[in-house]
Amino acid sequence: DTGVSQDPRHKITKRGQNVTFRCDPISEHNRLYWYRQTLGQGPEFLTYFQNEAQLEKSRLLSDRFSAERPKGSFSTLEIQRTEQGDSAMYLCASSLAPGQGITEAFFGQGTRLTVV
Amino acid sequence: RKEVEQDPGPFNVPEGATVAFNCTYSNSASQSFFWYRQDCRKEPKLLMSVYSSGNEDGRFTAQLNRASQYISLLIRDSKLSDSATYLCVVNENYQLIWGAGTKLIIKP
Repeated sequence: DTGVSQDPRHKITKRGQNVTFRCDPISEHNRLYWYRQTLGQGPEFLTYFQNEAQLEKSRLLSDRFSAERPKGSFSTLEIQRTEQGDSAMYLCASSLAPGQGITEAFFGQGTRLTVV
Repeated sequence: RKEVEQDPGPFNVPEGATVAFNCTYSNSASQSFFWYRQDCRKEPKLLMSVYSSGNEDGRFTAQLNRASQYISLLIRDSKLSDSATYLCVVNENYQLIWGAGTKLIIKP
């Protein structure tokens, strides 16, 4: 399978615990995005990387959230001290970013987080 | 005003009918546009890119109107399997800005 993969698919955690999600993008894609989606809403932008550089982080993202892409390949998203409001589907996507504009983004199947 | 707006629906449409929905965007400098389809509790999947000249893929036609800042999606001869949420996406300053989606329900 050469698509975007995310792990785990589901995560249930107690409030206050830390969680980490992993995303493996399509191998030739240099751009990687993290989104959060709740029921009835479109994906909400969290952050994105171009290769290993984190170029932008949403103002909505609290300092409990951190993302890395150390070698420009896979990425991790960590949420510290989880809160019930963090319950959502966390989606990772990747795309090519040529000189101008971007190409279509392809999504992983997401990690569904439930904070109890 | 939201950057990308869509009518949330739901659009209830009989099988075989033609349905169209629009998506408006606020940034006139937006560079590229896409339609995605999302089934319940699944990830969004690319349906089609939207080109300036408009493009067609089988029963699906996408158009861009830069002057009025909207894109449209037309589905002809709708099938039960077309039931899903359709998300409009705009590339703005190298970021993808998403609409909240339009829910489409095709009824037999």
